[in-house]
Amino acid sequence: DARVTQTPRHKVTEMGQEVTMRCQPILGHNTVFWYRQTMMQGLELLAYFRNRAPLDDSGMPKDRFSAEMPDATLATLKIQPSEPRDSAVYFCASGPGLAGVTETQYFGPGTRLLVL
Amino acid sequence: DAKTTQPPSMDCAEGRAANLPCNHSTISGNEYVYWYRQIHSQGPQYIIHGLKNNETNEMASLIITEDRKSSTLILPHATLRDTAVYYCIVIKAAGNKLTFGGGTRVLVKP
Repeated sequence: DARVTQTPRHKVTEMGQEVTMRCQPILGHNTVFWYRQTMMQGLELLAYFRNRAPLDDSGMPKDRFSAEMPDATLATLKIQPSEPRDSAVYFCASGPGLAGVTETQYFGPGTRLLVL
Repeated sequence: DAKTTQPPSMDCAEGRAANLPCNHSTISGNEYVYWYRQIHSQGPQYIIHGLKNNETNEMASLIITEDRKSSTLILPHATLRDTAVYYCIVIKAAGNKLTFGGGTRVLVKP
């Protein structure tokens, strides 16, 4: 049963520290999405990639957030420096990457981040 | 992408059908209706999607009105494990950005 995996599942850190979240998309999927979920804002798209290239990161605070795909099996989301307002659940999702059509996204279990 | 409107919450009796409405009156011809759900402490899960025709899979049925301005997700025999927030999302063909609204919080009661 293919699944998106995310690590760590939980992270507690202090304000100012760097946070790195990792995602392994489903094998063969070449579209990767990063979402953030908070009680106040709900689920928000931060960024997404196709074939490892960033297509849209307009939802991401540029000054402290960065998203990359070092290879096809790994996507990373970094926050540096972290702030308490970054506390949220961060979800990664992947899709088959069928260019030109809408597609189903498969979500990972999320990383719960708490910045003190 | 077209905006959707869903009731904030609804209750359903276990074993009965749950009918979840969604209004998308500004939908355009090339936009699909997608349904996802999020069970507590889990990531969103795809349920079903459609363009014009009604659709059915092992999880649910999707009924889209002829004018496509609204749709209904039907869970035929709700179980306690169907308690979740259900999101109706309209997305363009050749588009991948899911915009999640508030969804409908469904509570299935014994």
